[in-house]
Amino acid sequence: SQKIEQNSEALNIQEGKTATLTCNYTNYSPAYLQWYRQDPGRGPVFLLLIRENEKEKRKERLKVTFDTTLKQSLFHITASQPADSATYLCALKAGNNRKLIWGLGTSLAVNP
Amino acid sequence: NAGVTQTPKFRVLKTGQSMTLLCAQDMNHEYMYWYRQDPGMGLRLIHYSVGEGTTAKGEVPDGYNVSRLKKQNFLLGLESAAPSQTSVYFCASRPGGTIYEQYFGPGTRLTVT
Repeated sequence: SQKIEQNSEALNIQEGKTATLTCNYTNYSPAYLQWYRQDPGRGPVFLLLIRENEKEKRKERLKVTFDTTLKQSLFHITASQPADSATYLCALKAGNNRKLIWGLGTSLAVNP
Repeated sequence: NAGVTQTPKFRVLKTGQSMTLLCAQDMNHEYMYWYRQDPGMGLRLIHYSVGEGTTAKGEVPDGYNVSRLKKQNFLLGLESAAPSQTSVYFCASRPGGTIYEQYFGPGTRLTVT
């Protein structure tokens, strides 16, 4: 079956360190993959999009990589801050599908 | 700009009651979506619309209906609510074309008893 998997266990890191979150997928030919942030009781907020032919994308302290051979995207937050604590969702669009397929999200806690 | 707004924020229904959730966006976006989010299930697409007057079924459409009579509004209806429809409902929109990021509303927490 087609699915997306994110680390189910919460990630706890120390302020200032780099947080790395993983998104793995199976049985898709992806067109692009997106990362969103969701705070408790709020809707997801778009962060970054990376296309199938891109290896890496950056935005300020955020970096996303996309390895279509490994079927994996990594999401990095450098110099992490307590304000980065949230749940991070990945969402993939397969090439022949109009809809996004969403992961369950990984909870990140950045400790001061 | 208010972005994407949802009404109401919270609602409790009894089984069999009906209600309509309203989503409004002021960004002139073409595409609009209704999702539900449940623990352990992630975001699941209920219905979506690619433009005014159009709607299409998503992953979990049963028990729901939608309408997009105006470009800025997308309504989600529950004709006869069931406890299985207890969830948090999110509306989202995106411009369309090659702009893929979705803008989400704050959500509606619905409990069906």
